[in-house]
Amino acid sequence: ELKVEQNPLFLSMQEGKNYTIYCNYSTTSDRLYWYRQDPGKSLESLFVLLSNGAVKQEGRLMASLDTKARLSTLHITAAVHDLSATYFCAVGYGKLTFGQGTILTVHP
Amino acid sequence: GAVVSQHPSRVICKSGTSVKIECRSLDFQATTMFWYRQFPKKSLMLMATSNEGSKATYEQGVEKDKFLINHASLTLSTLTVTSAHPEDSSFYICSARLLARNNEQFFGPGTRLTVL
Repeated sequence: ELKVEQNPLFLSMQEGKNYTIYCNYSTTSDRLYWYRQDPGKSLESLFVLLSNGAVKQEGRLMASLDTKARLSTLHITAAVHDLSATYFCAVGYGKLTFGQGTILTVHP
Repeated sequence: GAVVSQHPSRVICKSGTSVKIECRSLDFQATTMFWYRQFPKKSLMLMATSNEGSKATYEQGVEKDKFLINHASLTLSTLTVTSAHPEDSSFYICSARLLARNNEQFFGPGTRLTVL
């Protein structure tokens, strides 16, 4: 059974700081997704990582995938308040298994 | 492109009634759609995989007679919560898989179900 674990589960950041969210998964997969969810809303797709070594960047967020280590990272650079949300990673082809989510709060 | 809608966005019903939720892919055809439920401050849990023209595949622990899924066309899947009870109150999210985009799933806006 595929297990996906994120850490940290809660992250309180100061504006302007950098931090990384980690996503570990238990079985081989070369397909990993990152999503953002705002309170009361559905999922917004952030990144689709389809191969080992894939790196994608959008604004202050950068995601990478290491399939050998079964690890993906979501790096936040110079955080701003607008990034406050819950971030999920998900693994799979077809059926997705989600991590627990990381609740990110960015404060002044 | 790749827009998925859900209807209704919010529904409140009495215990014992049935509720139908629709999931539509607006600008693409989807042979496969997925239904998830999410409890407050929790992750998404896959309930079932909906296949056009065939029976849905349910995840372990999900009652198929309780959560009826119909995928009658390439753009519509429905989830009916039968004889709803307060413990069925949750946020239900559907997704549709787009073959042309590496089977990426596109998520609907979700339906908030409250059973009184």
